[in-house]
Amino acid sequence: DGGITQSPKYLFRKEGQNVTLSCEQNLNHDAMYWYRQDPGQGLRLIYYSQIVNDFQKGDIAEGYSVSREKKESFPLTVTSAQKNPTAFYLCASTGTSGSIGNEQFFGPGTRLTVL
Amino acid sequence: EDQVTQSPEALRLQEGESSSLNCSYTVSGLRGLFWYRQDPGKGPEFLFTLYSAGEEKEKERLKATLTKKESFLHITAPKPEDSATYLCAVGGGATNKLIFGTGTLLAVQP
Repeated sequence: DGGITQSPKYLFRKEGQNVTLSCEQNLNHDAMYWYRQDPGQGLRLIYYSQIVNDFQKGDIAEGYSVSREKKESFPLTVTSAQKNPTAFYLCASTGTSGSIGNEQFFGPGTRLTVL
Repeated sequence: EDQVTQSPEALRLQEGESSSLNCSYTVSGLRGLFWYRQDPGKGPEFLFTLYSAGEEKEKERLKATLTKKESFLHITAPKPEDSATYLCAVGGGATNKLIFGTGTLLAVQP
């Protein structure tokens, strides 16, 4: 089955710790995205990548980092510099080099909680 | 400023009671309007893409329509399994990013 997988489903982080969220897709999509979802707010874009070895900051990139070494994979690291990381994190992808006119498909999400 | 506003924030319907959800948008050069369904604790599930005013798309009990300023998601004779949060997003403007609304939480009671 083609789709997007995210792991882990739940993640707990201690203060001062860096954690990495995994996102993998087998849809052969060019573009991949990371969003953060908080109660009462729309999805906010953290980072996106339209091709391998290239990525751009979204609206709330501070305290996060990404890499895009393979077309299929776009991991997100939440660093200790992110002061309020507790949220639901969603990975998405789309074909056609990420044209904004194309629908994005989402993974199941990772819920990150700071202890 | 590009923005998307969804209303109402929450809607409670009886099974079989048809209604509509609204998505109002302001964006220069709309390139696509997208509807998603999101169940609690899960990722959004893609429903529809609309590109131009007058366009309509249907899927089972759902029908999406588009004007130059807003989109409606019509739900005909809803069932309890239609309960979810419905998200609207638009692509366009000066940036290569989608702008999401905050969603409408729909509860359908049997």
